[in-house]
Amino acid sequence: NAGVMQNPRHLVRRRGQEARLRCSPMKGHSHVYWYRQLPEEGLKFMVYLQKENIIDESGMPKERFSAEFPKEGPSILRIQQVVRGDSAAYFCASSLGQGVFLTEAFFGQGTRLTVV
Amino acid sequence: AQKVTQAQTEISVVEKEDVTLDCVYETRDTTYYLFWYKQPPSGELVFLIRRNSFDEQNEISGRYSWNFQKSTSSFNFTITASQVVDSAVYFCALSELSTNAGKSTFGDGTTLTVKP
Repeated sequence: NAGVMQNPRHLVRRRGQEARLRCSPMKGHSHVYWYRQLPEEGLKFMVYLQKENIIDESGMPKERFSAEFPKEGPSILRIQQVVRGDSAAYFCASSLGQGVFLTEAFFGQGTRLTVV
Repeated sequence: AQKVTQAQTEISVVEKEDVTLDCVYETRDTTYYLFWYKQPPSGELVFLIRRNSFDEQNEISGRYSWNFQKSTSSFNFTITASQVVDSAVYFCALSELSTNAGKSTFGDGTTLTVKP
């Protein structure tokens, strides 16, 4: 009965490196959301994906950030050429679906990215 | 556009005091969901409650209670007889059905410190 699993929990990258954050949704969930929490701030929506499709990426920075949710395997949030400002906690959430029958989105424990 | 305001940035109380965390929201939708989450110092996000816009009944769960008032667009959270373990950052969040019920807008959080 595993919940949303994110790994790694902590990730340290040097400026200019790539960061890959993984999110395995709850069993049976096909909708994934990524959020970013900058220090001392609330969570900000980044992107919403269904299997093999990006549905809403209105919160994604235009450059260096990308996300995917392949047919098999976890969702990946990829940050290329990281900068210090990318240091944050990245949370993933999953849900069964959307619409009136949607239950709440379940959050993972987050990945804390530190760029040095 | 949806917006969540948590006007109280920080609150400090002494153990056993009651404390109320305020949340005011803005939305044009008639169908929406409101949430409260707790983020302890360890950093994970703990789901506390979800309330849909059609259910204005107040809810009590142990020492926690929630007061939802559509007339004032508020969804306040009260902790009765606070304990040191209640020290955390508390987030209020809103999801609109029309945009995407799984996509939430978070307030900036209220940091609660309960002193022994």
